[in-house]
Amino acid sequence: EVQLVQPGAEVKKSGESLKISCKGSGYRFINYWIAWVRQMPGKGLELMGMIYSGDSDTRYSPSFQGQVTMSADKSTSIAYLQWSSLKASDTGMYYCARRYGRYFDLWGRGTLVTVSS
Amino acid sequence: QSALTQPASVSGSPGQSITISCAGTSSDVGDYNAVSWYQQHAGEAPEVIIYDVNNRPSGVSDRFSGSRSGNTASLTISGLQAEDEADYYCSSYISSSALSVFGGGTRVTVL
Repeated sequence: EVQLVQPGAEVKKSGESLKISCKGSGYRFINYWIAWVRQMPGKGLELMGMIYSGDSDTRYSPSFQGQVTMSADKSTSIAYLQWSSLKASDTGMYYCARRYGRYFDLWGRGTLVTVSS
Repeated sequence: QSALTQPASVSGSPGQSITISCAGTSSDVGDYNAVSWYQQHAGEAPEVIIYDVNNRPSGVSDRFSGSRSGNTASLTISGLQAEDEADYYCSSYISSSALSVFGGGTRVTVL
């Protein structure tokens, strides 16, 4: 089955670091961009950036440049999104999605990140 | 890159047709035939329902259709059904950065 698998939830405190994962299966992982999309509570979708694991090319949306780091391990077909020092405002749902052509055709179920102060 | 502009909410009765607009600029919506639409039911991940302005993925009802005129794209839902109640997001590819931008989302309510 073609899918992206994400852990369901993470609970952290302000100032802590966090690395969440997105594992692709059922397709050739290195041939596609993986995007990270944030959805804050009750709000809309925001593209944070994308990574192409084939050559580690990474593009960040301007609002997220310097705020997070994207990486990927092509040997395990896993993409990662990490924070070095979380803030309460980082609380939200984080989806990974596969980009096919110029749209997102496959989505993970999302990781709910809760940051308490 | 600013978010695309969508109405916050649209409603209709079962069987009616509704249209959701998605306003952008000549740098995004108007630049490429690369507008997509996503449906998100409460508590679920988004799913693509329209790509490249007016194409439906396999399995998506033909009650959903897309179009574009200049810098504004539109999603039409015909024969509105209770199951169509969800949030809808447009998105456009941005050729200058190879990234994409989303609209603010539209909540569709079936009366």
